[in-house]
Amino acid sequence: EAQVTQNPRYLITVTGKKLTVTCSQNMNHEYMSWYRQDPGLGLRQIYYSMNVEVTDKGDVPEGYKVSRKEKRNFPLILESPSPNQTSLYFCASSELAGAYNEQFFGPGTRLTVL
Amino acid sequence: GIQVEQSPPDLILQEGANSTLRCNFSDSVNNLQWFHQNPWGQLINLFYIPSGTKQNGRLSATTVATERYSLLYISSSQTTDSGVYFCAVSGTFNAGGTSYGKLTFGQGTILTVHP
Repeated sequence: EAQVTQNPRYLITVTGKKLTVTCSQNMNHEYMSWYRQDPGLGLRQIYYSMNVEVTDKGDVPEGYKVSRKEKRNFPLILESPSPNQTSLYFCASSELAGAYNEQFFGPGTRLTVL
Repeated sequence: GIQVEQSPPDLILQEGANSTLRCNFSDSVNNLQWFHQNPWGQLINLFYIPSGTKQNGRLSATTVATERYSLLYISSSQTTDSGVYFCAVSGTFNAGGTSYGKLTFGQGTILTVHP
């Protein structure tokens, strides 16, 4: 089944404890992206990747890192999480970036930073 | 950047009723998608519809790209249709999008269907 998977789905952690949220897709998509969703602010893009070893900042990249060493994986790294990073996170992928490409979203990761 | 406005912000229906949700966008787009966010937070793809009309069961959508709007129709609504409906667009490269391929989401329409 074609899908985007994220792990963990739920995480409660404490300030400053490094964490990684994994994202994997099995559709051989070139483009992958991370969004966060917050009440009143909607969904905002954090980072995106056009292909392996190619990543760039979205609208709200502060406090996050990403890497794209393999086509299928695009982990989101919080080196020193803070309470303002408490949010619902989504990973997305599409065959190509840009024109006429449907994006597919993972199930979401609900993160709470105490 | 591109602006996306959805209306109405809230909608309450009785089971069996029909409804129309609207999405207006401020510039040319190369991608428009409708999503349903269920009570568990998952974003479910409903339609990929940068132009034209599509139907899937009780749902259908129409995008008039030249007039910069899209409509989502829900017929014979059911309680399981409850949730938040999002419209999301990706501007054309020439429209000056800061992130090629980035989806800009509207604020959503909260739909509640009562039995």
